[in-house]
Amino acid sequence: QLQLQESGPGLVKPSETLSLTCTVSGGSISSSSYYWGWIRQPPGKGLEWIGSIYYSGSTYYNPSLKSRVTISVDTSKNQFSLKLSSVTAADTAVYYCARHIQLEWFDPWGQGTLVTVSS
Amino acid sequence: QSVLTQPPSASGTPGQRVTISCSGSSSNIGSNTVNWYQQLPGTAPKLLIYSNNQRPSGVPDRFSGSKSGTSASLAISGLQSEDEADYYCAAWDDSLNGRGVFGGGTKLTVL
Repeated sequence: QLQLQESGPGLVKPSETLSLTCTVSGGSISSSSYYWGWIRQPPGKGLEWIGSIYYSGSTYYNPSLKSRVTISVDTSKNQFSLKLSSVTAADTAVYYCARHIQLEWFDPWGQGTLVTVSS
Repeated sequence: QSVLTQPPSASGTPGQRVTISCSGSSSNIGSNTVNWYQQLPGTAPKLLIYSNNQRPSGVPDRFSGSKSGTSASLAISGLQSEDEADYYCAAWDDSLNGRGVFGGGTKLTVL
């Protein structure tokens, strides 16, 4: 059964770079037809797609975040990662990783990790 | 403001049928599939309906999805207390070089 697990610092200072990694187990990140995505949810608010990556490195980013986001993949470790630069308090959220099937639906999701931006 | 529009809240009594709407445009719902997620309190979202009307294994047939033009809806029949959750619609949007878009979410209360 495919599982995803987010990891990374829970606290990031304003203006610094948020870095998270998603580890995929129970399946290969190099499977065709699957992208791998990041989604976030600010406390008490809705879901926002951040971006998705194919194992070859092809990426799609949310236009509103594109200037600050980098998503990369490490097939040897079965992991993909998120970097979000110049963070502010508005970037405080639970960050989820998920398999993005055919760039249509997300399944399964990781449990999520709360990242707080604060000095 | 979300690209897909959902009512912020919905409610029903046990056993009732409720529907949640999701409105979009030609670049998202009108040309791609609609997918629905259920988020129980304090948990990660879970895929509920994919490809407009398909249920993943394990999702009760009380949940159904439909799509017409640039709108979609999620129906829950035989409402149960454990259905109280937030529900999100989502789709791929072909504008701006392609992007994933979500609705703002609908909080379903079982009275």
